[in-house]
Amino acid sequence: ELKVEQNPLFLSMQEGKNYTIYCNYSTTSDRLYWYRQDPGKSLESLFVLLSNGAVKQEGRLMASLDTKARLSTLHITAAVHDLSATYFCAVGGGSNYKLTFGKGTLLTVNP
Amino acid sequence: DGGITQSPKYLFRKEGQNVTLSCEQNLNHDAMYWYRQDPGQGLRLIYYSQIVNDFQKGDIAEGYSVSREKKESFPLTVTSAQKNPTAFYLCASSISGTGSGELFFGEGSRLTVL
Repeated sequence: ELKVEQNPLFLSMQEGKNYTIYCNYSTTSDRLYWYRQDPGKSLESLFVLLSNGAVKQEGRLMASLDTKARLSTLHITAAVHDLSATYFCAVGGGSNYKLTFGKGTLLTVNP
Repeated sequence: DGGITQSPKYLFRKEGQNVTLSCEQNLNHDAMYWYRQDPGQGLRLIYYSQIVNDFQKGDIAEGYSVSREKKESFPLTVTSAQKNPTAFYLCASSISGTGSGELFFGEGSRLTVL
């Protein structure tokens, strides 16, 4: 059974600082996704990572995938308040495109 | 605009009642999914369907039922057998086959059992 672990689950950081969220998964996969969720809202797709070594960047967020280590990272550079949200990673397994989600990381960026 | 429409957005139900949540997509996606989210938790898969007239149980299917009679529609019924139905329900769709597997989500339906 595929298990996905994110850490930390809670992250409080100051504006302007850098930090990394980690996503580990238990079985082989080459499909990993990052989503953002604002309070009371649905999930918004951030990144789709489909191969070992994939790196994608959008604004202050950068995601990478190491399939050999079964690890993805979401790096936040010079955080701003607008990045406050819950971030989920999700891992694909098998041919049926079923995704397994981590519990999410609640990020709070303080002025 | 293409997208996924869920209704109703908020729903209140008395114990013992069945309720059906609607999910319609106009993205021409083959696959559709239902997830449940509880406060402070990740998403858990209830049911999914890769083609019309076919669907599979996810990790927490007990107390739920679905149908897939049309490609664009995937309604979820929360039955009275579901012990703790209060939650946020999210419908999603994706391209099957050679697609990336990326899920696109609706706005969600929040169900509260009184």
